Amino acid sequence: RKEVEQDPGPFNVPEGATVAFNCTYSNSASQSFFWYRQDCRKEPKLLMSVYSSGNEDGRFTAQLNRASQYISLLIRDSKLSDSATYLCVVNIPTGNQFYFGTGTSLTVIP
Amino acid sequence: NAGVTQTPKFRILKIGQSMTLQCTQDMNHNYMYWYRQDPGMGLKLIYYSVGAGITDKGEVPNGYNVSRSTTEDFPLRLELAAPSQTSVYFCASLQRRFNTDTQYFGPGTRLTVL
Repeated sequence: RKEVEQDPGPFNVPEGATVAFNCTYSNSASQSFFWYRQDCRKEPKLLMSVYSSGNEDGRFTAQLNRASQYISLLIRDSKLSDSATYLCVVNIPTGNQFYFGTGTSLTVIP
Repeated sequence: NAGVTQTPKFRILKIGQSMTLQCTQDMNHNYMYWYRQDPGMGLKLIYYSVGAGITDKGEVPNGYNVSRSTTEDFPLRLELAAPSQTSVYFCASLQRRFNTDTQYFGPGTRLTVL
């Protein structure tokens, strides 16, 4: 069983739309959670950490549900520049290793 | 700060050849990582290091070796290259803070083994 699973998409949405991605993780003892963004043929970059109480950064909202072992990312008022692959990342209990999902592809259409 | 730098950016190897992928960071981070990313897939951890002189295997270490003689450098060695090692290799260093961890990635090395 994979440590982290994501719907690969693709998600094609019009500008201004709201879109949500989910991610599930298998290890109930996982400690910390993140969303990374990866542009085509580029390196991943941290978008935001995911905190237990949920957190927001501008148009982006991240939620964690420990009971169901899933993480979500909500993007409001989508921009063309949001087009990218979004990677869900989980830190396993030893704290030193990170597991990446395969990514969810988003294209925002004019 | 240059952040995390990787060389080379591209390389083509023949089966059985060896090479070293270089990774350097100037942020004084103790933790460093090597990942590979196959097309349409997520990143898989090859090796990591929690500090100079300490390395440990990740999810997919076979066919690779690493060393960490300094905080700044974390080279990845491929011995006897195989077509299955065709991939994009990313090096990362980790900034650990109280409320979050941030991995900073290098631009990647695109390796093709023919």
